[in-house]
Amino acid sequence: GAVVSQHPSWVICKSGTSVKIECRSLDFQATTMFWYRQFPKQSLMLMATSNEGSKATYEQGVEKDKFLINHASLTLSTLTVTSAHPEDSSFYICSATPAGETQYFGPGTRLLVL
Amino acid sequence: GENVEQHPSTLSVQEGDSAVIKCTYSDSASNYFPWYKQELGKGPQLIIDIRSNVGEKKDQRIAVTLNKTAKHFSLHITETQPEDSAVYFCAASTGGFKTIFGAGTRLFVKA
Repeated sequence: GAVVSQHPSWVICKSGTSVKIECRSLDFQATTMFWYRQFPKQSLMLMATSNEGSKATYEQGVEKDKFLINHASLTLSTLTVTSAHPEDSSFYICSATPAGETQYFGPGTRLLVL
Repeated sequence: GENVEQHPSTLSVQEGDSAVIKCTYSDSASNYFPWYKQELGKGPQLIIDIRSNVGEKKDQRIAVTLNKTAKHFSLHITETQPEDSAVYFCAASTGGFKTIFGAGTRLFVKA
């Protein structure tokens, strides 16, 4: 149980284009989903917390107009990187929690912006 | 705010030996402590967790201990195997969905 999927697993795009990443909880309803960014050999950096049906809460330093988050249902959250640039290249990971504190992570999406 | 320190950053052990990873936290209100294993190119996987009303929890070869007074908790892996090689993250949560992660420990198990 507690499976979270992400799509796509990797994406290459041109600078200036937008990329959408989907995060789904497959066997539970997720009241809260989280989006993280991870640089090589570093820990997880929380970008934003999203609750179903409400606006996401962004961490300090994360541009909300750059990283658009939509949590339209209890099983789906999307992260859109708008006007992507090479510095946005990273490993993006989502997590979801059915209730309480336990977070279940997706497999991650590797983004490369050329 | 909460801060979680994790040591060591790198750990190399021989297959069959034990591995211990230690974490300390700063917020005494923290009451939930999960451990995650992350293999290369994958998302973190929850391997064990402990709540503040428990001092120790074991699941086969892995165990976690918690010392609330000293504000530290540890992950113990016994009889290590090459497939245990990964990055391990500890984390602490106060129950408000705010989870703080440690910097990670890269474990190498040599066959």
